[in-house]
Amino acid sequence: DAGVIQSPRHEVTEMGQEVTLRCKPISGHNSLFWYRQTMMRGLELLIYFNNNVPIDDSGMPEDRFSAKMPNASFSTLKIQPSEPRDSAVYFCASKNIRDSGNTIYFGEGSWLTVV
Amino acid sequence: DAKTTQPPSMDCAEGRAANLPCNHSTISGNEYVYWYRQIHSQGPQYIIHGLKNNETNEMASLIITEDRKSSTLILPHATLRDTAVYYCIVRVGAAGNKLTFGGGTRVLVKP
Repeated sequence: DAGVIQSPRHEVTEMGQEVTLRCKPISGHNSLFWYRQTMMRGLELLIYFNNNVPIDDSGMPEDRFSAKMPNASFSTLKIQPSEPRDSAVYFCASKNIRDSGNTIYFGEGSWLTVV
Repeated sequence: DAKTTQPPSMDCAEGRAANLPCNHSTISGNEYVYWYRQIHSQGPQYIIHGLKNNETNEMASLIITEDRKSSTLILPHATLRDTAVYYCIVRVGAAGNKLTFGGGTRVLVKP
């Protein structure tokens, strides 16, 4: 089975540019999570969706960040405008709410560098 | 979710068992213990979880103390590919959604 698929895997962009990260969750999963990882702050939850509805976006750092989930098989995380401090690895993860084990599966990450 | 405490790093010898401790003294009755690991340049990977009984799967064993205030993840025969950061996380199992990651334990398996 395909896991969580993220794109792009690597992106280098200039400060001020818009960045869009994409995620395809595991088929049948109905919860989706966006995490950010940096050396200084570790793994932080930015936002998560249940059944395509945003449930908790308290981790979104500021208004420059936005996330959408237009359908069960696709989500985007957008940064506009991007800044050097946004450089990080962004992970998407998904799970099945009905899974009693509550296991969350992560993608391989999108490595973002803003120069 | 209950806070966890893990040693920041540990070494172990290839082929030997690796025992990774985790303290979670404020754990509630409905909170599970989860273990994830993150190999360099990869996303976190689920290892195992448990509520009060010891658990074993193809990757590891989880030993939870009777008072549930601490647990140990056991990698029975560590290999070089087990070098990773291991995260112990406590959260509500059935209804909880978020995984909150702490600093984890950086495990280095040496030949």
